[in-house]
Amino acid sequence: TQLLEQSPQFLSIQEGENLTVYCNSSSVFSSLQWYRQEPGEGPVLLVTVVTGGEVKKLKRLTFQFGDARKDSSLHITAAQPGDTGLYLCAGASAGGTSYGKLTFGQGTILTVHP
Amino acid sequence: NAGVTQTPKFRILKIGQSMTLQCTQDMNHNYMYWYRQDPGMGLKLIYYSVGAGITDKGEVPNGYNVSRSTTEDFPLRLELAAPSQTSVYFCASSFQGGPYEQYFGPGTRLTVT
Repeated sequence: TQLLEQSPQFLSIQEGENLTVYCNSSSVFSSLQWYRQEPGEGPVLLVTVVTGGEVKKLKRLTFQFGDARKDSSLHITAAQPGDTGLYLCAGASAGGTSYGKLTFGQGTILTVHP
Repeated sequence: NAGVTQTPKFRILKIGQSMTLQCTQDMNHNYMYWYRQDPGMGLKLIYYSVGAGITDKGEVPNGYNVSRSTTEDFPLRLELAAPSQTSVYFCASSFQGGPYEQYFGPGTRLTVT
């Protein structure tokens, strides 16, 4: 069974601060996805990383995939109240019979105070 | 495109009742999934389907059943509802090829009392 350990579970910060969320596993993933979920809604895909060492930027959000494709991080610069939400990482199994099944981390609840 | 739609949005069931959660996608995705999300937890896979007529169990299938008669629809059936099935249920779909980015519906909040 593949596991993704996501940390921290909770983050409460002031507007303008920086933060990093981590996802770690002992398993190799073919791709790693980050989702953001707002209360009462379904998760929405933010980014997908597929290559070991890959770095992707989405405005103030920077996503990195570990060289061995076992871990990933999400860094937010100068957080804003609009960044508040639940952030989920999810890994797609390496292997032809995975059928796109994702392993999800437990999630990080981020609250950014004005 | 509407994407993935789910009905109902909310439902309260009594113990022992049954119901079907509906899920429809209009993206012509072959792969579809049902998850449950409990407070403070990530998403746990209940069932998945790789195409019409083909379904398989996920991590937590007990107490649930699914069917897939068309590419678009993937209903989830709860038989003999139990309080442990109180949760938020999400349906998702993805394209058959990698990297398997999933598109989620808005969810159904189910309470069993």
